Amino acid sequence: DIQMTQSPSSLSASVGDRVTITCRASQGISNSLAWYQQKPGKAPKLLLYAASRLESGVPSRFSGSGSGTDYTLTISSLQPEDFATYYCQQYHSTPPITFGQGTRLEIK
Amino acid sequence: QVQLVESGGGVVQPGGSLRLSCAASGFTFSSYGMHWVRQTPGKGLEWVAFIRYDGNNKYYAEFVKGRFTISRDKSKNTLYLQMNSLRAEDTAVYYCAKGAAVAPYFFDYWGQGTLVTVSS
Repeated sequence: DIQMTQSPSSLSASVGDRVTITCRASQGISNSLAWYQQKPGKAPKLLLYAASRLESGVPSRFSGSGSGTDYTLTISSLQPEDFATYYCQQYHSTPPITFGQGTRLEIK
Repeated sequence: QVQLVESGGGVVQPGGSLRLSCAASGFTFSSYGMHWVRQTPGKGLEWVAFIRYDGNNKYYAEFVKGRFTISRDKSKNTLYLQMNSLRAEDTAVYYCAKGAAVAPYFFDYWGQGTLVTVSS
């Protein structure tokens, strides 16, 4: 199984900050990576897929990059509604589908 | 718009059974693969099972293999998860999720989740 490791596990930032979250796969996943945002008590929401493709309706301040085993999610200018938990997920080698453990983004 | 509405969660004793349902609307249900994903405070998000759009292929996480069964009814636009031999560690919020059109193994829509608690 492919293991996904996110860093950091939690992060404090301010509105307007640029934030980067990293996801590392235990083996190459050929850009088969999705990012989700989850707010408390709600289901996850798809932000990006194929490592860098923005899902329809997602603000352009969210972007993704990477290759091989290392990927990043960047929020260019944090907005109040962006404080949430973020998960990466690989779909290169399935089953099983595997998620990172999550990164909690908190207000500083 | 796409809607996924889960039901069937509740409290069950260890060793018991439960069937979850997910009513789908707003898209052509019979054209998309569907998944169950669960979430626990301790282990985060865990993929549970997948069923292909036509029901002909099913995949399971190792920790539920032999105990859980995923199925779908295209006449009712409904996805199911039959859960048998439940254990305390199966306690979680269970989400149904729609496989994306681009690739069926990531999720473009999720339901609101249904809580399953396994406890004596």
